[in-house]
Amino acid sequence: AQSVAQPEDQVNVAEGNPLTVKCTYSVSGNPYLFWYVQYPNRGLQFLLKYITGDNLVKGSYGFEAEFNKSQTSFHLKKPSALVSDSALYFCAFEGSYQKVTFGIGTKLQVIP
Amino acid sequence: DADVTQTPRNRITKTGKRIMLECSQTKGHDRMYWYRQDPGLGLRLIYYSFDVKDINKGEISDGYSVSRQAQAKFSLSLESAIPNQTALYFCATSSRWESTDTQYFGPGTRLTVL
Repeated sequence: AQSVAQPEDQVNVAEGNPLTVKCTYSVSGNPYLFWYVQYPNRGLQFLLKYITGDNLVKGSYGFEAEFNKSQTSFHLKKPSALVSDSALYFCAFEGSYQKVTFGIGTKLQVIP
Repeated sequence: DADVTQTPRNRITKTGKRIMLECSQTKGHDRMYWYRQDPGLGLRLIYYSFDVKDINKGEISDGYSVSRQAQAKFSLSLESAIPNQTALYFCATSSRWESTDTQYFGPGTRLTVL
């Protein structure tokens, strides 16, 4: 079955340090991959997506993600974390019939 | 104003009661979705509708029903609520005219079934 995995329940990083939130995928063909963010008491917001082309995708709020086909990964990154980046992050993929499936989420805690 | 709205935002009810959660959107999107979010389980799809006359079950549709009253409105009903339906419920929309199914979410409804 096709899926995405987020191996870390929580990631802690100091403010100003680079952050990485991991996602690996098991999707046949050329996957469409997404990152969404959920701030407290809010719905999910789209951050970025990978369709094809450049493996480095830039998104909102200074986030970027790197598609790595050989490692089947799509990790979310930011060069310098902000306290306001603390949130729940979801990786997702678009499968058959344009149905999107979400990972279980990773909580990012940026420590001042 | 928000593009995707959900009412109510919070609801506490008792086992056996009928509950309706409503979703409206002003994005002009044709596709609408209902998800529930539970800690440690992520988002799970309950129902989705690609058009007013096209409604499909998601992975956890048992105990739920939906109605797509218009392109802009998609409601979720719990005919007889039970405690394990306590969760955060999200509505989302997307457009078939976009190259991918990028979804836009409402703020959520927190439902507690006692």
